[in-house]
Formats: sequence, structure tokens, C-alpha cells
Amino acid sequence: QTVVTQEPSFSVSPGGTVTLTCGLSSGSVSTSYYPSWYQQTPGQAPRTLIYSTNTRSSGVPDRFSGSILGNKAALTITGAQADDESDYYCIVYMGSGIWVFGGGTKLTVL
Amino acid sequence: QVQLVQSGSELKKPGASVKVSCKASGYTFTSYTLNWVRQAPGQGLEWMGWINTNTGNPTYAQGFTGRFVFSLDTSVSTAYLQISSLKAEDTAVYYCARGYCSSTICHIFESWGQGTLVTVSS
Repeated sequence: QTVVTQEPSFSVSPGGTVTLTCGLSSGSVSTSYYPSWYQQTPGQAPRTLIYSTNTRSSGVPDRFSGSILGNKAALTITGAQADDESDYYCIVYMGSGIWVFGGGTKLTVL
Repeated sequence: QVQLVQSGSELKKPGASVKVSCKASGYTFTSYTLNWVRQAPGQGLEWMGWINTNTGNPTYAQGFTGRFVFSLDTSVSTAYLQISSLKAEDTAVYYCARGYCSSTICHIFESWGQGTLVTVSS
């Protein structure tokens, strides 16, 4: 089974820019995989940030953006803030009605 | 406004069954799919599968076949997740989330429930 890969952890300075990625153990992520991104803080339900590669969910600030970079989906946060410190998950569509989450990235802002 | 309200926490013994509910309001229930997501303590999110709210047809992810059953009661706009023969490793928070797909766009988790903690312990 194809595994969806994410960086286990990442750090960014306040005000800085960070790009998290979402790849496949075999093959490339494209827009046909409808990659989506979620933010989760401890004890809270996930919050949808981006769906279908680059569409921001309602209420999400424009400093969060999604794209395809090379063979991976990417989530870029510009002007990182302290409350961006969270876990970030991507999910991709594998066909036949099946979706798979990545393992998540723990983002530290310091 | 759109709401997905899940049932409360459950404490069950190994071998028992549990049924988690997800009651939808603020929209036409059959216009969106209903997904289920599991999160074990300290672990990541796992997509369990989804149910077509028009047909009742479920799709299960690998690892969630056999003991896991998705069902609906459209008369009360509610989806259910039933887990049988519970094991300690089923201890997790279970989320429901509505979604939709068109020919060009998929918003699989457009709104989330608050989550239901199921604890399996003797």
C-alpha cells in the first residue's frame, strides 16, 4: 500500500515562511489526488485549511497557501505566528473512493 | 448553521460493542457524504472510510473492515459508527466530518464533529 509521507517535524521563526510537504512512497502527488491540509492543536478537532490542492477553506487567512511543488503537495505558511504551532496533516485521494492521511508534521514556532 | 454533534464519551470493556452517533443539522443531510476519522492517543489522523448518505453504501479503509460498520438514519439526519469486539487498541477519539466532491473539486472534510472518545479498558 502506498504511504503518504510528511516531515515529522519542522520549525520556523516568528514572521518566517515555512513549506510543509506531502508526498507518496511511490509516485507523485498531482492535483488529481485532491490534496488537502488540516491543522490540529492538542485536544481540539482538526481544522480544514486547504482542499483540492490550493483552495482555502472558509475563514482561513491567506498566509496559508497550497500548491504542488515538484512531485509533492505543499502547504506554505508565510508570516508564521505563535499560534501556528500545531500539528499539520495532509490527505490525498488514492482512487476508488479511498483517501489516505499522511503521518503529520509537528510545527514549532520559535 | 451547519453542525455535526457527536455522542458523548464511552467507556467499554474489551469484547463489547459501541455505537457512536453523529447528528447533522443546518443542511440537507443527503447532500454531503459522511466520513469517519480515528485518532488514537498521541497518534495521527486515520481515515476510516465514508458513507454515501443517499444510498447508504459504505466504503471502508484498509484496516477498518469487519468490526467497523457505518450506518444512517436519514429520518433524523444521523450517521452511526458501530465497533464490535472492542480491543484496547480501539481506544481513540472518533470524528465524523461531512464532505463533497464534484468533477473538479473535493472537499472531503468540510465540517467536523467535535469528536467522541471511546476508551476500551477492563
